[in-house]
Amino acid sequence: DQQVKQNSPSLSVQEGRISILNCDYTNSMFDYFLWYKKYPAEGPTFLISISSIKDKNEDGRFTVFLNKSAKHLSLHIVPSQPGDSAVYFCAASGLYGNKLVFGAGTILRVKS
Amino acid sequence: DAGVTQSPTHLIKTRGQHVTLRCSPISGHKSVSWYQQVLGQGPQFIFQYYEKEERGRGNFPDRFSARQFPNYSSELNVNALLLGDSALYLCASSSLGSGSTLETQYFGPGTRLLVL
Repeated sequence: DQQVKQNSPSLSVQEGRISILNCDYTNSMFDYFLWYKKYPAEGPTFLISISSIKDKNEDGRFTVFLNKSAKHLSLHIVPSQPGDSAVYFCAASGLYGNKLVFGAGTILRVKS
Repeated sequence: DAGVTQSPTHLIKTRGQHVTLRCSPISGHKSVSWYQQVLGQGPQFIFQYYEKEERGRGNFPDRFSARQFPNYSSELNVNALLLGDSALYLCASSSLGSGSTLETQYFGPGTRLLVL
């Protein structure tokens, strides 16, 4: 039962362009959503989050959009840089806040 | 300021053995969570501890156990290892852990366990 899905296993983008990573969820009890970036041989690094009472949160080059009716969120990276190349995980937490449910990840490759 | 630390970084065990993994949270964080990441998948929740009490448990067998110490560090124990336990084990800490839903967890580098 995959409650959080990242349907694109990989994405390739040219440096300077926009990267859009997508995530869908099925559990309507989720109310906090997070994006993590992971380099090989490192743990996931927190990027940005959004609570269910908002539809957009921005932090520098990173913006997360939440569409609750569609149970969909996306991460926009503008402009993309080669150092952004990593695996990006979408995660969600719900009523008890003690458990993050992760998607399978999307490998982003930014070409220079 | 030190982040979450985990030891050891790598470990090789054989089937049937027991393993103990260790985690130190970010200073001031009272909550520690453990996740298992199998190759090609996202991390899966195993346990959360807050103030030395178990606050949540994922869908893992009883061979998996954990505890949290007075200094908020934590150990994850796995008994009777199976080949399928080979994975990256991640520890995360957070400052809340009181059941708040707006809780950002910060991860350590992980311990890579290989079971032969």
